[in-house]
Amino acid sequence: DAGITQSPRYKITETGRQVTLMCHQTWSHSYMFWYRQDLGHGLRLIYYSAAADITDKGEVPDGYVVSRSKTENFPLTLESATRSQTSVYFCASSEYYEQYFGPGTRLTVT
Amino acid sequence: AQKVTQAQTEISVVEKEDVTLDCVYETRDTTYYLFWYKQPPSGELVFLIRRNSFDEQNEISGRYSWNFQKSTSSFNFTITASQVVDSAVYFCARSMDSNYQLIWGAGTKLIIKP
Repeated sequence: DAGITQSPRYKITETGRQVTLMCHQTWSHSYMFWYRQDLGHGLRLIYYSAAADITDKGEVPDGYVVSRSKTENFPLTLESATRSQTSVYFCASSEYYEQYFGPGTRLTVT
Repeated sequence: AQKVTQAQTEISVVEKEDVTLDCVYETRDTTYYLFWYKQPPSGELVFLIRRNSFDEQNEISGRYSWNFQKSTSSFNFTITASQVVDSAVYFCARSMDSNYQLIWGAGTKLIIKP
């Protein structure tokens, strides 16, 4: 199906473990974004990518790593998960300014 | 930083009432875009509208209308004859110059009571 998908939709992990959240889009959009959404903080940009192999930090990049070897995929890795990274993570893509969002991944770090 | 302010944290109205969500933005740019997104209780973020800073015409789409006033740096969203299905968090956003990033407001939670 066309669109933007995220996996897993729900994830529970332990402190210190590495976790990778996947994002896949079928529109061939150049830009992709990772946000986290926490109560009281709205949407905060973690990383973004302007094209394959081009990534840059957003507002809250610490503790996260991204890569983009293919246009359609933009995985987000938490290298050593902490409880403060418990959040809902949204991936988005855009070809111009309006961003289209995936369904989100709810991550709980215990 | 150039902010987007949604001063109304939460609004509660009874079904069929009209409701306006406020959005005020800061910018030094002459060209920019403004957006509204909807996040229903199911959690997904849905794009509603994009406006170009050069186009101050109001826009209407069914029960939804948007009022863009450059003089007051506002881009307000009105729902006419609200329905329970309109209950959601609504986010306003503004484009940044570079890299197609958006600056987001904190969101307004709209509760429509039956």
